[in-house]
Amino acid sequence: QKEVEQDPGPLSVPEGAIVSLNCTYSNSAFQYFMWYRQYSRKGPELLMYTYSSGNKEDGRFTAQVDKSSKYISLFIRDSQPSDSATYLCAMSRAGTALIFGKGTTLSVSS
Amino acid sequence: DVKVTQSSRYLVKRTGEKVFLECVQDMDHENMFWYRQDPGLGLRLIYFSYDVKMKEKGDIPEGYSVSREKKERFSLILESASTNQTSMYLCASSPTRQGTEQYFGPGTRLTVT
Repeated sequence: QKEVEQDPGPLSVPEGAIVSLNCTYSNSAFQYFMWYRQYSRKGPELLMYTYSSGNKEDGRFTAQVDKSSKYISLFIRDSQPSDSATYLCAMSRAGTALIFGKGTTLSVSS
Repeated sequence: DVKVTQSSRYLVKRTGEKVFLECVQDMDHENMFWYRQDPGLGLRLIYFSYDVKMKEKGDIPEGYSVSREKKERFSLILESASTNQTSMYLCASSPTRQGTEQYFGPGTRLTVT
């Protein structure tokens, strides 16, 4: 089983939809959870960072971590065409480098 | 504003050439990373560095080396470029050792012919 699994999509939604992006993982020692957004031909940019369990909200974005299920999610409310990008989850435990998911490609149509 | 810059956006090299990819960050971060990104394979860690003159192998170090002579600069070296090293190369820096809150450069698209 891979350490981090992420559905590559593509995921296509109309403008204004609620988007749910997910990753599962196998290592229960992971403590740090991140979401990155990557536009075409650009480097990834950090979107959300969560330590351990719980929810974190930033504007239209909400990150959730469920450590009991080894599952993390990113929700995007009122999605916009400018949200069209590839979303990468990433996670690590203390003292180790980040492990990235392969990314989900999202397309929001106007 | 956080800034990581990479020396080239696009690079074309011939098989067997020695290739240098430069990365500079202005955030005074101790930790820097080199990745390659390929379709279907995602981001794979090549090398990272926790401090000047320190380096650690990542998941795919074969065929690569690195240099960190100054805190702000981390160079990736392809000793003898091969076609299977054609890829997008991404540099990142982070204030934490495990690389949480990584800030990425724009990437270098390297083609080896």
